[in-house]
Amino acid sequence: GAGVSQSPSNKVTEKGKDVELRCDPISGHTALYWYRQSLGQGLEFLIYFQGNSAPDKSGLPSDRFSAERTGGSVSTLTIQRTQQEDSAVYLCASSLQRDRGLEQYFGPGTRLTVT
Amino acid sequence: AQSVAQPEDQVNVAEGNPLTVKCTYSVSGNPYLFWYVQYPNRGLQFLLKYITGDNLVKGSYGFEAEFNKSQTSFHLKKPSALVSDSALYFCAVRGGAGNMLTFGGGTRLMVKP
Repeated sequence: GAGVSQSPSNKVTEKGKDVELRCDPISGHTALYWYRQSLGQGLEFLIYFQGNSAPDKSGLPSDRFSAERTGGSVSTLTIQRTQQEDSAVYLCASSLQRDRGLEQYFGPGTRLTVT
Repeated sequence: AQSVAQPEDQVNVAEGNPLTVKCTYSVSGNPYLFWYVQYPNRGLQFLLKYITGDNLVKGSYGFEAEFNKSQTSFHLKKPSALVSDSALYFCAVRGGAGNMLTFGGGTRLMVKP
């Protein structure tokens, strides 16, 4: 079956512009996570959705970052007024449920470059 | 708070030799531990996990990992390395709010012919 998909695969934007990154989780997976992978910070958690519940935003680095998940499926991560330090690979993952014993499946990521 | 440490930035082994990639963790309660592999320009691929039961867990591509509660370690192992195993390996613990993954810093495995 289809895995987690993300688009675009690469995004180059100018400092100050807004960007939207999209994630399509595996069908039937209720839990969806966004992570960021950067050279200086490694892999860090950003935000978590469980079904239609309110998201856990505890990992978002600033109020320029936001995310939504429509219909309990597709998710969009939005970064407003991008800064150079936002340059990273943004990874989306989904899990059948939020249970700790279940593995998360990752998409290929979106490489964001802010110039 | 939970944390994971991978003490080696890079591990070099010769093809055919056994390999070990080290991981230690810190959690409150029972640990739920995972290993992922990342090939260049790819997302993370799940290798194996420890939830409960046998301390030696087997995973994909011939990899296995040994859970040691007293040493709070979860080292990744393979009896005979392949050049194609060269990649970036991440150890992670799942927990906290939302049961997100907390990752170690990653270890680059280089297998030379």
